[in-house]
Amino acid sequence: GNSVTQMEGPVTLSEEAFLTINCTYTATGYPSLFWYVQYPGEGLQLLLKATKADDKGSNKGFEATYRKETTSFHLEKGSVQVSDSAVYFCALTTSGGSYIPTFGRGTSLIVHP
Amino acid sequence: ETGVTQSPTHLIKTRGQQVTLRCSSQSGHNTVSWYQQALGQGPQFIFQYYREEENGRGNFPPRFSGLQFPNYSSELNVNALELDDSALYLCASSTESYEQYFGPGTRLTVT
Repeated sequence: GNSVTQMEGPVTLSEEAFLTINCTYTATGYPSLFWYVQYPGEGLQLLLKATKADDKGSNKGFEATYRKETTSFHLEKGSVQVSDSAVYFCALTTSGGSYIPTFGRGTSLIVHP
Repeated sequence: ETGVTQSPTHLIKTRGQQVTLRCSSQSGHNTVSWYQQALGQGPQFIFQYYREEENGRGNFPPRFSGLQFPNYSSELNVNALELDDSALYLCASSTESYEQYFGPGTRLTVT
């Protein structure tokens, strides 16, 4: 079956620090990969996605590259802001799963001024 | 364009009671999915409705049931509530493509 593993949080950084949140996956077939963000008290928002190997998804300064050889999709940002404090979820979908996302457990990011 | 909305925002129920949660999908979307998100966990898929028919179901007991209406809005019903049903319930709408748009969720507390 499909599964997503994320690094445990919380990740605590100072403003302008470099961010990496690790995500690895197992999947049958050829998955599409996603990062969602959940701000306090809100639902999930799609942050970025990649649909095939070596694709790079990017949005709002965040980036992630689909690495088939290492089954990874690590999230990075060069300079975080306090407003980036949220919970980040890595997810995947496969056509065999009717495109229902399988989510990781989430990684909490706390950015201090 | 109106996004996905859910009601109520918060709800407190007693063990054994029944609850109905509501979701209005984004304009133009014909598919609605429901998820349960326990504290500190990722969302777990409950079921999906496509054009008023159940189109997939996760590992949840039959006391979790749903409906989708002709305007593509949806309800999630939970009977015989248990303490472990306390969670954030998320609704997401989509078209036939795989990109889902999530609502803000309903926080259910069972005491």
